[in-house]
Amino acid sequence: GQSLEQPSEVTAVEGAIVQINCTYQTSGFYGLSWYQQHDGGAPTFLSYNALDGLEETGRFSSFLSRSDSYGYLLLQELQMKDSASYFCAGSLGNTPLVFGKGTRLSVIA
Amino acid sequence: DSGVTQTPKHLITATGQRVTLRCSPRSGDLSVYWYQQSLDQGLQFLIHYYNGEERAKGNILERFSAQQFPDLHSELNLSSLELGDSALYFCASSALAGGNEQFFGPGTRLTVL
Repeated sequence: GQSLEQPSEVTAVEGAIVQINCTYQTSGFYGLSWYQQHDGGAPTFLSYNALDGLEETGRFSSFLSRSDSYGYLLLQELQMKDSASYFCAGSLGNTPLVFGKGTRLSVIA
Repeated sequence: DSGVTQTPKHLITATGQRVTLRCSPRSGDLSVYWYQQSLDQGLQFLIHYYNGEERAKGNILERFSAQQFPDLHSELNLSSLELGDSALYFCASSALAGGNEQFFGPGTRLTVL
């Protein structure tokens, strides 16, 4: 079946850089999306990589390598408000997104 | 604010009961997705509607059903409720059928006692 694997928890210091990895077992995903979810909140779309390479949006960047079935989300200049869960998600085109189980990021002072 | 609305925000009911969750997508979005999120699980895809037609089903129980109406709002019906159905239920919408960028509503927290 389709599955995406990501670490369950990551802790990083305020002001630092953190990378959240995502590997997937299904070939053919058309791209990789990333969502952020704060406790008690709804998931919010962060980025989508349709092509291999790095996409940068402000402090957040996302990378995809389809040949390696691997992607990551890079968060720079970490702020306390970045403490949240981050989900990677993949799709086989016109199929629903399959979400990873999420990575809980804790930013500490 | 994503533009997706869900009602009610909270729902407390008893086992064996039936409830209906409502979702209005963003203006112009034709796709509606329903997800279930439990404490120990990620986002479990339930069902997808596009312009009134069912497009895909995920791990949706037979006790659950959904529909999308001509005005594009959607309802998720949960019947014969069990304790394990307690969860957050999210609705999301996207413009296209294969939306990688989905806009999530605030969710309905269902508690089954």
